[in-house]
Amino acid sequence: EPEVTQTPSHQVTQMGQEVILRCVPISNHLYFYWYRQILGQKVEFLVSFYNNEISEKSEIFDDQFSVERPDGSNFTLKIRSTKLEDSAMYFCASRGSQVRDEQFFGPGTRLTVL
Amino acid sequence: AQKITQTQPGMFVQEKEAVTLDCTYDTSDPSYGLFWYKQPSSGEMIFLIYQGSYDQQNATEGRYSLNFQKARKSANLVISASQLGDSAMYFCAMRLASGGSYIPTFGRGTSLIVHP
Repeated sequence: EPEVTQTPSHQVTQMGQEVILRCVPISNHLYFYWYRQILGQKVEFLVSFYNNEISEKSEIFDDQFSVERPDGSNFTLKIRSTKLEDSAMYFCASRGSQVRDEQFFGPGTRLTVL
Repeated sequence: AQKITQTQPGMFVQEKEAVTLDCTYDTSDPSYGLFWYKQPSSGEMIFLIYQGSYDQQNATEGRYSLNFQKARKSANLVISASQLGDSAMYFCAMRLASGGSYIPTFGRGTSLIVHP
């Protein structure tokens, strides 16, 4: 069964450093998403991506964040200068073209900023 | 703006018993979808079940069923015959189906513990 994959599973970084979180969505999916979940809290939407551009973003997704689909398979989230409060689980998700299609989530990357 | 409320921070159930996890939502849009996800301690988000606002029947997927009461704006998840492996966080989410936004809004989650 196809699945969304994410690497790395855990990333530890120093405050102020740049990190890139990687995702490989399901191959025939068209819509891609990043979410974050601070420990013990609910899942929060960051950004959605369709047709090689951002379609929606939340207020969390400020200038420190960027997304890219550098090739036909990868979807990346970059945080330019990490802050302590960026420590969270980051989920990538993808879905097909139908409105009823659920989003398939990846296993997440746990980001720890020291 | 849409809103999802899960009022039960934690629930306990005996193995093999049924359990209902509550979810209420608020939206003025007539076209929407409701989802439930399971998040085990390992952290991944697992899709469980989907209910469309225009679906005539309550959704069912194996041991999971969604008790959809549109007038009350509730979408409770019912897990029948609980298993130890059902112990996890459960998140209710809603996504509007119109207006071009397909971003789901998640509730705060309910922690379910299944006792042997």
